[in-house]
Amino acid sequence: GAVVSQHPSRVICKSGTSVKIECRSLDFQATTMFWYRQFPKQSLMLMATSNEGSKATYEQGVEKDKFLINHASLTLSTLTVTSAHPEDSSFYICSARGGRDKNTEAFFGQGTRLTVV
Amino acid sequence: SQKIEQNSEALNIQEGKTATLTCNYTNYSPAYLQWYRQDPGRGPVFLLLIRENEKEKRKERLKVTFDTTLKQSLFHITASQPADSATYLCALGTGTASKLTFGTGTRLQVTL
Repeated sequence: GAVVSQHPSRVICKSGTSVKIECRSLDFQATTMFWYRQFPKQSLMLMATSNEGSKATYEQGVEKDKFLINHASLTLSTLTVTSAHPEDSSFYICSARGGRDKNTEAFFGQGTRLTVV
Repeated sequence: SQKIEQNSEALNIQEGKTATLTCNYTNYSPAYLQWYRQDPGRGPVFLLLIRENEKEKRKERLKVTFDTTLKQSLFHITASQPADSATYLCALGTGTASKLTFGTGTRLQVTL
């Protein structure tokens, strides 16, 4: 299957700083990328959908000014958590889909464990 | 309200037996349903996709059924192995948008 690489896998940052997470599709062009967060023993909650070259679409309740998403190329999307607070500590996962068919499987990155201290 | 339910209790079975996991949904009209495997601290890995007009899909030891009348999907692992131990997530797609909505997952533990 296709490979999606997410970096870093773990990050610890101080409260008030910003953290950038990268998501790359290594062997296909990802027209659409998704960002999720997952709390322990809970499901993946979709934060936003981004299409290459356009603004991300955020889910209800997700602050777009806090979670900045950039999808500048067909192989790279970034999520920046700005002015992080301890409640932002979570597992963040990206996924990517390629091609025009929306009804295809999604390929996920390895996830990023963010801890804000 | 829309809801996707998977058994939150862990499923413990013996090696060699068939594991059956359930995914029920309400207030959805999914165009397709997907199953993923997630290991601790890792992202989900795609297993199978089944569309609304399909009743059953198989892949090696895996089988998925999709009953749009009952609003339910069953996920079977035959001849289960300890390496199958993981959390299994179902996800629905409506077809009008490319995003997936996930259930909470069921943890499977296969013992010797």
